[in-house]
Amino acid sequence: NAGVTQTPKFQVLKTGQSMTLQCAQDMNHNSMYWYRQDPGMGLRLIYYSASEGTTDKGEVPNGYNVSRLNKREFSLRLESAAPSQTSVYFCASSARDRWDSPLHFGNGTRLTVT
Amino acid sequence: KNQVEQSPQSLIILEGKNCTLQCNYTVSPFSNLRWYKQDTGRGPVSLTIMTFSENTKSNGRYTATLDADTKQSSLHITASQLSDSASYICVVRLLGGNNRLAFGKGNQVVVIP
Repeated sequence: NAGVTQTPKFQVLKTGQSMTLQCAQDMNHNSMYWYRQDPGMGLRLIYYSASEGTTDKGEVPNGYNVSRLNKREFSLRLESAAPSQTSVYFCASSARDRWDSPLHFGNGTRLTVT
Repeated sequence: KNQVEQSPQSLIILEGKNCTLQCNYTVSPFSNLRWYKQDTGRGPVSLTIMTFSENTKSNGRYTATLDADTKQSSLHITASQLSDSASYICVVRLLGGNNRLAFGKGNQVVVIP
């Protein structure tokens, strides 16, 4: 099992450009998440999807959109990138019905917006 | 104000030595507390979970403790190895649905030979 796979690993964008970060999990998890990690700050939740067909805003959703394409895939879109969105983005999944289920993270996408 | 505070922010230790990382939290209602290890350039990986009724839990050379009364947890690393160099993140889960989580900023540990 690959776990959680994120693509691309690295990306450089110019201000105003758009892009989609892809995430897929093969653990049959219901819940999926997008976080961003910035130096000196904890992981912050952007959006999450408790199950296929549902999405909800997290702590820092402005400037982002998400799509839960199916149970396996959850994508994050930046419509008009800004330098403040320079960050490392992590996708994660968990078994929603298990209170003790950990988050399983991908290895991140390092995004730089110039 | 962050609801999960970790200390020290960073530390350097000699290979073979022990160290203890601290996590204080104010979030409630509390469901469980989990420690994650994040290697450079990778996503966090769960090390151990502590529930309200548990005081101590070990995972190899890692031992976590929890004092739910004082809302404090610690992670003790015994006989450190170079591979222990990483960030250790304390995450508290709140009781209730939707898997609400509060993240600490992490303890950055560097083990030197």
